[in-house]
Amino acid sequence: QQQVKQSPQSLIVQKGGISIINCAYENTAFDYFPWYQQFPGKGPALLIAIRPDVSEKKEGRFTISFNKSAKQFSLHIMDSQPGDSATYFCAASKGSSNTGKLIFGQGTTLQVKP
Amino acid sequence: KAGVTQTPRYLIKTRGQQVTLSCSPISGHRSVSWYQQTPGQGLQFLFEYFSETQRNKGNFPGRFSGRQFSNSRSEMNVSTLELGDSALYLCASSNTGAPPQHFGDGTRLSIL
Repeated sequence: QQQVKQSPQSLIVQKGGISIINCAYENTAFDYFPWYQQFPGKGPALLIAIRPDVSEKKEGRFTISFNKSAKQFSLHIMDSQPGDSATYFCAASKGSSNTGKLIFGQGTTLQVKP
Repeated sequence: KAGVTQTPRYLIKTRGQQVTLSCSPISGHRSVSWYQQTPGQGLQFLFEYFSETQRNKGNFPGRFSGRQFSNSRSEMNVSTLELGDSALYLCASSNTGAPPQHFGDGTRLSIL
């Protein structure tokens, strides 16, 4: 059972544009929602994360929007740059005793055209 | 500060063999978790260790096992390798009570 659904599978954005990636989850017990960025040949790196007690979190050009009632969250990359071209994964976990057990979305390959 | 180190980076094995992968966490991190990454299934959780104890386990067969040493270094073992075990195996470390922030660059395992 896929518990975190991510869309789109791939995304092409012009330099300076806004990249938007969406995720939906099923398990209401999830209480931590991180986003990871992965470049070819590298492991994922934590970008930004949110807990369900806030609706939005911003770090630089990256923003997470969280809709608890709809069980959805999204990543917005403002002023997208060619260096942002990578695969992005949303994830979710539940409980303080399960912090290492992340359920990942299927990933979105982002290409930012110069 | 050194990152998460995984060795070896690449491995080629044949069906039926067994393999051991190693992960050295960031200094001071006591939690290590392992993930399998494949094009078809994506990133899937294998198990998590904290203070030498397995804290969580994913839905993988018993052929997949792991352990953690007193210095927090971790190993995972896969016995009786199958073609479907070909994947990138990633480990991540984190501080106590915190979700994974730092992943290693993985071990690419190919089964012939």
